[in-house]
Amino acid sequence: GESVGLHLPTLSVQEGDNSIINCAYSNSASDYFIWYKQESGKGPQFIIDIRSNMDKRQGQRVTVLLNKTVKHLSLQIAATQPGDSAVYFCAGRGGSYIPTFGRGTSLIVHP
Amino acid sequence: GAGVSQSPRYKVTKRGQDVTLRCDPISSHATLYWYQQALGQGPEFLTYFNYEAQPDKSGLPSDRFSAERPEGSISTLTIQRTEQRDSAMYRCASSLRLAGGPYAGELFFGEGSRLTVL
Repeated sequence: GESVGLHLPTLSVQEGDNSIINCAYSNSASDYFIWYKQESGKGPQFIIDIRSNMDKRQGQRVTVLLNKTVKHLSLQIAATQPGDSAVYFCAGRGGSYIPTFGRGTSLIVHP
Repeated sequence: GAGVSQSPRYKVTKRGQDVTLRCDPISSHATLYWYQQALGQGPEFLTYFNYEAQPDKSGLPSDRFSAERPEGSISTLTIQRTEQRDSAMYRCASSLRLAGGPYAGELFFGEGSRLTVL
């Protein structure tokens, strides 16, 4: 199976700073990872994904880095805004191909 | 529909009662997932359907939990003889591509059904 976990339950940043949210996974055979954003009272929403044959992928203001050697991935958010405040989950996919979620990091953006 | 729709949004029931939660996925989506999310935790997998087939029930906590998707669209999750530990948010998600294979992509989540068992 797959087990994913986030390093910090809460991350506080100032508006305009860059944010880095980390995630570790257990299954070296995992082939696909997704980052989700969950705002209060809502369901998780897709942000960005990355396949295991890549080590970096960029979106709008977000970058995901994958280090397969240490089984670690990170989500970087540039110029963090108050609207980025949410809980962020990484999800991995092991042999069963079913997305498995970690516990989440709560990002708090201070104006 | 335009998004994944779940009902009821909130359900309060007494211990021992049966409850049924409903999910209406995005109409073009082949796959439907059920997850359970406790407060402060990430979603935990319960089961999924590819159309009407249910290849994986491994996440269902006990035989009190069952799910159906008889026509490959709307799905129901039924919890029989509810217990207080069943209290959680139940989330449905759908995906365009078939699950259980390497090409399954992102999940689109509904807003969830919050179950409270007294």
